[in-house]
Amino acid sequence: GAVVSQHPSWVICKSGTSVKIECRSLDFQATTMFWYRQFPKQSLMLMATSNEGSKATYEQGVEKDKFLINHASLTLSTLTVTSAHPEDSSFYICSAEQGSSYNEQFFGPGTRLTVL
Amino acid sequence: AQSVTQPDIHITVSEGASLELRCNYSYGATPYLFWYVQSPGQGLQLLLKYFSGDTLVQGIKGFEAEFKRSQSSFNLRKPSVHWSDAAEYFCAVGARAAGNKLTFGGGTRVLVKP
Repeated sequence: GAVVSQHPSWVICKSGTSVKIECRSLDFQATTMFWYRQFPKQSLMLMATSNEGSKATYEQGVEKDKFLINHASLTLSTLTVTSAHPEDSSFYICSAEQGSSYNEQFFGPGTRLTVL
Repeated sequence: AQSVTQPDIHITVSEGASLELRCNYSYGATPYLFWYVQSPGQGLQLLLKYFSGDTLVQGIKGFEAEFKRSQSSFNLRKPSVHWSDAAEYFCAVGARAAGNKLTFGGGTRVLVKP
């Protein structure tokens, strides 16, 4: 149980285009999902917290107009990288938290984004 | 604000030898502590977690960790490593007061020699 999937697992796009990444909790309802960014050989940095039915909360320094997050249902959150540029190339990982009390976060397998 | 430090960037250990990965955290109250493992190009897998209670926590794959409040540490140990333990290991701290957000340490890359 507690499986989180991400789609696509990797994507290559041209500079200036937008890319959507999906994060799904497959066997549980996730009231809260988190989006992380990981540069090569570095740690995970939290980008935003996504709550179902409400606006995402972005970490300091993260451009909300560039990284659009939508959490339309209890099993799906999407991250759209708008007008992507090479510096947006990174490994994006989502996680989902089950229930309303504190629980561990279940992580997706990640999405490798390469912007040419 | 919460923070996590993993002092060792790389550790090389021989197969069959013991392994200890260090983790120090900074947080005003008792945090929730986690250890995750990440294989190349993969997501994170939870090894173990500490919320409260017994300070020695057993996890999967033969790992254990000990919470020491006086030292603000949560070190990960394994008595005998296997070649498949070669990976990146992340310590993380979370807290309900911080909106359940996780803060990760910089990671420790473990290399296993035959």
